[in-house]
Amino acid sequence: NAGVTQTPKFRVLKTGQSMTLLCAQDMNHEYMYWYRQDPGMGLRLIHYSVGEGTTAKGEVPDGYNVSRLKKQNFLLGLESAAPSQTSVYFCASSYSRGFLNTEAFFGQGTRLTVV
Amino acid sequence: QQQVKQSPQSLIVQKGGISIINCAYENTAFDYFPWYQQFPGKGPALLIAIRPDVSEKKEGRFTISFNKSAKQFSLHIMDSQPGDSATYFCAASHISNSGYALNFGKGTSLLVTP
Repeated sequence: NAGVTQTPKFRVLKTGQSMTLLCAQDMNHEYMYWYRQDPGMGLRLIHYSVGEGTTAKGEVPDGYNVSRLKKQNFLLGLESAAPSQTSVYFCASSYSRGFLNTEAFFGQGTRLTVV
Repeated sequence: QQQVKQSPQSLIVQKGGISIINCAYENTAFDYFPWYQQFPGKGPALLIAIRPDVSEKKEGRFTISFNKSAKQFSLHIMDSQPGDSATYFCAASHISNSGYALNFGKGTSLLVTP
């Protein structure tokens, strides 16, 4: 049982390049999220998904796109990377029990540097 | 805008002491208040969580105190140990807010000295 797996773990991009971060979960969770973590800022929500085929914007969505074609996968894309997107990216997943939310499980993170 | 405010930003406690981290929120619709622990190079992991129908929850050396009227909650770490040195995040969520997405505080870096 791997939980939440993020690929890659590290990446250096040049300004203007594109890339896709992959998140995979094996817990059959409905909800998936992408956060970015910056020093002194906590974790901020980029995009989220409440089920296969659905996505929505979070707090800081500009410059990112997402897709959830399969329930277990949630992809985060950067079409034209900018230095301001240098950050550590975390994927998380969770499920609800009735109308109550439960524990969110996080991946190990992807450290992205844009030069 | 930060929906959950956390303090202090950093904390140094001697081994065996009590660590206290405080959080405040504005959205009265929040109904789930977890604390996450994060070690360097790792993802956050759930430490303990509380719902607003109780005022306190204890798990081992970790206790959440919750004050619904004041819209505040805090984490107490009793008998703090060097292995507790980590960054702690409080958070809050509700189904009406981005599909249960967690709204995080900015984090507290805890150092427990031997």
